[in-house]
Amino acid sequence: QKEVEQNSGPLSVPEGAIASLNCTYSDRGSQSFFWYRQYSGKSPELIMFIYSNGDKEDGRFTAQLNKASQYVSLLIRDSQPSDSATYLCAVEGMNSGAGSYQLTFGKGTKLSVIP
Amino acid sequence: DAGVTQSPTHLIKTRGQQVTLRCSPKSGHDTVSWYQQALGQGPQFIFQYYEEEERQRGNFPDRFSGHQFPNYSSELNVNALLLGDSALYLCASSLRYQPQHFGDGTRLSIL
Repeated sequence: QKEVEQNSGPLSVPEGAIASLNCTYSDRGSQSFFWYRQYSGKSPELIMFIYSNGDKEDGRFTAQLNKASQYVSLLIRDSQPSDSATYLCAVEGMNSGAGSYQLTFGKGTKLSVIP
Repeated sequence: DAGVTQSPTHLIKTRGQQVTLRCSPKSGHDTVSWYQQALGQGPQFIFQYYEEEERQRGNFPDRFSGHQFPNYSSELNVNALLLGDSALYLCASSLRYQPQHFGDGTRLSIL
């Protein structure tokens, strides 16, 4: 059973601070890692993906991956009230028999940015 | 450039009924995946379609079935609806092995 674990929160940070969201996964064969943002009542929106160990930066967002520790994180710099949402970590592993990928999601971490 | 579109937006059914949900992928995408998201949970993978075939299936009963058409659009069918089937049903499209993008979802309520 592939599992993805996230702290459900809520995580509260003041406006302008760095928000740090963490995720661990159980399947060592996992190859691709994604962060989705989901506003209340809306669908998930892809904000970052990372395939290789290390850091990947896109604007105020940085994704970090450590495959040895089976750990992936998302940093949000200069947090804004509009960043308040649930952040879903998703892990994709190859099912060689089916020749396709399957996304396994964590339950999400609720982030609240306080003005 | 239209994104992933799903219909209907909301649906109310009673136990035992059958339902069909529809999805049109983002232009250029050939792979469609379906997910079920219960309140307060992350999305759970139902199945994935590519080249009109079911390629991968999650831990869902046979009451859940699907189809992909030659234009890459897809349908999710659920038979013999149970109260526990109440959820947000999400369709995601992608090019094969590329990041998946979600539609706005169909909120299904079972009475």
